[in-house]
This record gives sequence, structure tokens and C-alpha cells, in this order.
Amino acid sequence: SQQGEEDPQALSIQEGENATMNCSYKTSINNLQWYRQNSGRGLVHLILIRSNEREKHSGRLRVTLDTSKKSSSLLITASRAADTASYFCATDEGNTGKLIFGQGTTLQVKP
Amino acid sequence: GAGVSQSPSNKVTEKGKDVELRCDPISGHTALYWYRQSLGQGLEFLIYFQGNSAPDKSGLPSDRFSAERTGGSVSTLTIQRTQQEDSAVYLCASRKKGLAGDQETQYFGPGTRLLVL
Repeated sequence: SQQGEEDPQALSIQEGENATMNCSYKTSINNLQWYRQNSGRGLVHLILIRSNEREKHSGRLRVTLDTSKKSSSLLITASRAADTASYFCATDEGNTGKLIFGQGTTLQVKP
Repeated sequence: GAGVSQSPSNKVTEKGKDVELRCDPISGHTALYWYRQSLGQGLEFLIYFQGNSAPDKSGLPSDRFSAERTGGSVSTLTIQRTQQEDSAVYLCASRKKGLAGDQETQYFGPGTRLLVL
């Protein structure tokens, strides 16, 4: 079963613009993670934010977490054509590390 | 260092046949996970191994699916009597297991794309 929803499902922007993706989830979490997937194959871990954190940065990535609204956002600044991929949020509910994924956002960055 | 590897990369089989998918986790990672990604269902958890503990099989969709992890390292996911709805990308991930820093991160393999005709 899916933990939550991501929106938008698809996003198309010009190179240099910022891209924002949102993720909502349903249950209490230990942490929330964002992954990137190219061409429907392996997932690449981007960033992890813990339930007691509100914002985290990594390079051009900024993630926020609002546990009261059970939502998170991923901001990619100054996007590049190479950022074109699918982005998934995943929540870790317990000590097992078992991840529950959202449906994903497909991002296209046009050169 | 080496990442998670999976084999085969692609597998085409006929309905009713059994298939075995292999995952080699990162050395030293005690936790291993299998997920499935299909068009209609997104990414779904299948099974989780942690050390010598009994695996968490709560995500396996039917009793045709089974997995084992030998020696705390390599894992094999077996699908018996494959059906067309089993067609998907099967992803394996491993994790160091812990609560500090990077130990919470799961590292994914490239996946096995299974097509059942």
C-alpha cells in the first residue's frame, strides 16, 4: 500500500528555474527520505530528514517537513537538464527501515 | 566501494515458469530489503531481512513469492508459477542498520526487470 501522495504528478520547467515537489503521508514517521530515479531503474538517495527536523539542505536541494500537516516538500534550485528524472518520497515508520513510497513526481527540465 | 548489485538485469519468462532473482548487498550491511515497482502499483515493499532475525514477509503479495538470505549476505527472491501481473522491476536495497547518521540510508541496486509473457 502507498503511504501518501505526491504532487504534482508531472512537472515541466526550463533550465535555471526552481522545481518544487510535495509529498503527503498518513501515519507517524521516524524519518522521510527523497529518492531520484532515472529511466525506471535504481533509486538514488538524495536526502533524509528526521521527524524532529523541519528543514534540511544539501547542495541545490532543500527539504522541509511539517509533521503537523504530515507533509514534506523538495525544492531543487537552479535546475539543470540533468535533473530530469522521477522523484519519490518515502517514509520510514518504525525501526525496521521498511520504506513506504509515494507515487512520485516526474520532472522534466528543458534546456 | 561496490554498491548493491542485482542479477539478471532483465528476465523474460513464460507464464507458469519459476524465476530466481539475486541481490548482492553492500558488504557489512546487515539489513536487506526487496521492493517491486510496477506500472499500476508504484513502489511496494516486499520483504525485509535483518541479521539472523526472522524476515518480515508482510509485503509478499502471494505464497508464490519467497525469499531467502544465505549467510547474512546474498539474497534470492523466488517467484513460482509466474503470472503476467508479476511483470515489474524488482529492486533490492541494503542498509547498515542503526540510528546514527548515514546508517538510516538505504542503497538500492539497479533492479531486475521481469517480463512474464
